[in-house]
Amino acid sequence: NAGVMQNPRHLVRRRGQEARLRCSPMKGHSHVYWYRQLPEEGLKFMVYLQKENIIDESGMPKERFSAEFPKEGPSILRIQQVVRGDSAAYFCASSPSATTNEKLFFGSGTQLSVL
Amino acid sequence: AQSVTQPDIHITVSEGASLELRCNYSYGATPYLFWYVQSPGQGLQLLLKYFSGDTLVQGIKGFEAEFKRSQSSFNLRKPSVHWSDAAEYFCAVAPDPYYGGSQGNLIFGKGTKLSVKP
Repeated sequence: NAGVMQNPRHLVRRRGQEARLRCSPMKGHSHVYWYRQLPEEGLKFMVYLQKENIIDESGMPKERFSAEFPKEGPSILRIQQVVRGDSAAYFCASSPSATTNEKLFFGSGTQLSVL
Repeated sequence: AQSVTQPDIHITVSEGASLELRCNYSYGATPYLFWYVQSPGQGLQLLLKYFSGDTLVQGIKGFEAEFKRSQSSFNLRKPSVHWSDAAEYFCAVAPDPYYGGSQGNLIFGKGTKLSVKP
């Protein structure tokens, strides 16, 4: 039973390029969450998605960042025109339902480095 | 606004010694509280959680935590630390959806890095 899979593990981009981070939730999970961890910081919530719907994007920067979770395939976090400040670890989590009694299963993260 | 404070950035303990990691939260209603562990290059693993009921919560790997409402604390403890416990530990609070919080919108502390001396 594979856990939450994120790829790539490491992603290097130059300023101005686009970064696409992928997250495949655990089997049977239809709720996905993205978090960002800046150096020396805790994880910060970015967005919560169900299949084909964005439920809560209160933590997403207003510009350049977008997320989707299509009916088929992984969830994608897309960062356009990356800047050095986007360098961080991006974690995805999934859960089988929408209650806080369900624990979140986290992936191993994608480390984004912007040169 | 809700917040989580982990006062200790880095703690070093000897193997076999007891451990207590501190966590204080600021939240208006009854919180849902979590402790996660992150080993290098790994995702977060849930150690334990508190939602209601008994204020002493048992988790995996021999960890426990005690919820103290009067002190707004949720400290993590282990009676005897093993070298494999070296990792970073995060305390988190989940806002109650009834009060406007969203599922999955956990608020994390900045973490405490644990080193274990042989």
